[in-house]
Amino acid sequence: GAGVSQSPSNKVTEKGKDVELRCDPISGHTALYWYRQSLGQGLEFLIYFQGNSAPDKSGLPSDRFSAERTGGSVSTLTIQRTQQEDSAVYLCASSADSGQPWGYTFGSGTRLTVV
Amino acid sequence: GENVEQHPSTLSVQEGDSAVIKCTYSDSASNYFPWYKQELGKGPQLIIDIRSNVGEKKDQRIAVTLNKTAKHFSLHITETQPEDSAVYFCASRPGANNLFFGTGTRLTVIP
Repeated sequence: GAGVSQSPSNKVTEKGKDVELRCDPISGHTALYWYRQSLGQGLEFLIYFQGNSAPDKSGLPSDRFSAERTGGSVSTLTIQRTQQEDSAVYLCASSADSGQPWGYTFGSGTRLTVV
Repeated sequence: GENVEQHPSTLSVQEGDSAVIKCTYSDSASNYFPWYKQELGKGPQLIIDIRSNVGEKKDQRIAVTLNKTAKHFSLHITETQPEDSAVYFCASRPGANNLFFGTGTRLTVIP
């Protein structure tokens, strides 16, 4: 696609429910990144994919968070048993190669609200 | 791990004045320093970047400077315009594959 597409753009969920956030990177981009942006805060690194593998999962805040990428393209971030502190904007970015961070392109994000 | 600090958190300037945002980083292995602009409801957009082998880079009204010895880098916007109003993030790459971001600066340009 022309850009990084994220869906849904907004998600309101009840505490304790599971949610899935989707990221569709730029066609041909092999590297994909997930970040979390809490209100008034910077971007917190969550996980990075090179192709379908995730060499760096160090940023996932707890075992309730997981992510996968299939076919070297679409990625889903899953949050199980959501908590109110999970409320944030979840941003996805992609780049042509993990060695070319200057090619980072962000999507518009998914705003998650846990009530 | 890398720690990026950004100041100020908010900045208001009169239209036509200059704006300066400063960042420091902790990992001496960092070799790439981009700046992103985020408008309301949108993802961050890359506006300028600098690599560790140069000290300054300019693109029209925007410039970035890097001092590797002191581990700090700055964004300079001259002749500010209302459309420059946004949140700006600095970032660094400490040799790994992902970027570490500062906490952002909300810039308001007053017409």
